[in-house]
Amino acid sequence: DADVTQTPRNRITKTGKRIMLECSQTKGHDRMYWYRQDPGLGLRLIYYSFDVKDINKGEISDGYSVSRQAQAKFSLSLESAIPNQTALYFCATSPMDSNTGELFFGEGSRLTVL
Amino acid sequence: AQSVSQHNHHVILSEAASLELGCNYSYGGTVNLFWYVQYPGQHLQLLLKYFSGDPLVKGIKGFEAEFIKSKFSFNLRKPSVQWSDTAEYFCAVEGQDYKLSFGAGTTVTVRA
Repeated sequence: DADVTQTPRNRITKTGKRIMLECSQTKGHDRMYWYRQDPGLGLRLIYYSFDVKDINKGEISDGYSVSRQAQAKFSLSLESAIPNQTALYFCATSPMDSNTGELFFGEGSRLTVL
Repeated sequence: AQSVSQHNHHVILSEAASLELGCNYSYGGTVNLFWYVQYPGQHLQLLLKYFSGDPLVKGIKGFEAEFIKSKFSFNLRKPSVQWSDTAEYFCAVEGQDYKLSFGAGTTVTVRA
């Protein structure tokens, strides 16, 4: 089983719908991140959390919200999806006691907004 | 905040050719540097990392990278590529805020 699990893996939705992408991890890491990947733009940070009570905006947080329900769970919500949010979304984790910054990624959630 | 620039968008080469991918970053403080690889249909995986010590770091699958502080560069190299090295490669920089900033990525296609 994957250490970082994302659901759903693929989702097609319509403009204006609310969408939630979920991420759970069994690595015991404190830090969790949501990135989106777009061709030619690489990965851009949406939100990150260093523990259950800590939520921080990344570089492209507009139109998104997150919830850190537990150490192991970090969900990303699109309150009203729009077509330019069509992208591949990755959840990632890293341990708090490490200063090397290595991230462990989930398999990705491909979202298409029509 | 830090930023990362990767010089090449798409590189096409034949098996056994040498590969070098450029990466430059901008950040005023101490950084940790990474190369991640994404094979087709898969998630990103760490290829190698630098955070102190010898500026020439070796990673998995025969890859290496050299940190040149004066040039703010961290170029990735492999002397002889294989078809299985076809992937997208991302350079990333971590500043003192524990957030990684990624470059736009370089797609490498190796022809048999």
